[in-house]
Amino acid sequence: SAVISQKPSRDICQRGTSLTIQCQVDSQVTMMFWYRQQPGQSLTLIATANQGSEATYESGFVIDKFPISRPNLTFSTLTVSNMSPEDSSIYLCSVDGSRYTFGSGTRLTVV
Amino acid sequence: DQQVKQNSPSLSVQEGRISILNCDYTNSMFDYFLWYKKYPAEGPTFLISISSIKDKNEDGRFTVFLNKSAKHLSLHIVPSQPGDSAVYFCAAKSSGTYKYIFGTGTRLKVLA
Repeated sequence: SAVISQKPSRDICQRGTSLTIQCQVDSQVTMMFWYRQQPGQSLTLIATANQGSEATYESGFVIDKFPISRPNLTFSTLTVSNMSPEDSSIYLCSVDGSRYTFGSGTRLTVV
Repeated sequence: DQQVKQNSPSLSVQEGRISILNCDYTNSMFDYFLWYKKYPAEGPTFLISISSIKDKNEDGRFTVFLNKSAKHLSLHIVPSQPGDSAVYFCAAKSSGTYKYIFGTGTRLKVLA
């Protein structure tokens, strides 16, 4: 199964700023997924990132708030823009393969 | 509407005994299910999967049972070990889609 490197692992950010999270996969994958896990909640899909096309966002998530880049088949970024304390969550990227694999997650705290 | 539910937020089991984690779903179109384990400060790690054509899948100490009529699946860990202490998530999807719906997780603590 694919191996995903995700960074940063954690960050504490000021409200109103933006943070970009990166995921690097050790093999080429068609689809990459970005999830959010708010405290005490289940993992919620934010968007699906395909190389060469715009990301597809789930209900409740918009591109202006969570812009995504997918420049090639092994890399993607998620930006959390204009952050507020409500954005404090764990953000995870994942890929779909023989085993749906996750990155190690980014624990974001907005103060 | 929570389509995948894990009604037990936590579970404690003695080392060597069986751990049973439960998951219920509401969408009858779901036909592929996963279990994940998550340690603190790490991403979820795939454990075991099952498709709706089966009612049981086994991998070492881990067995997943699927009861389609009851829309219920369970993960059995036998024997439980302290290293199994983690949060366990079930997830489900329907064929032809890539989107998994996750439960809220059950925190398992295996006592030495």
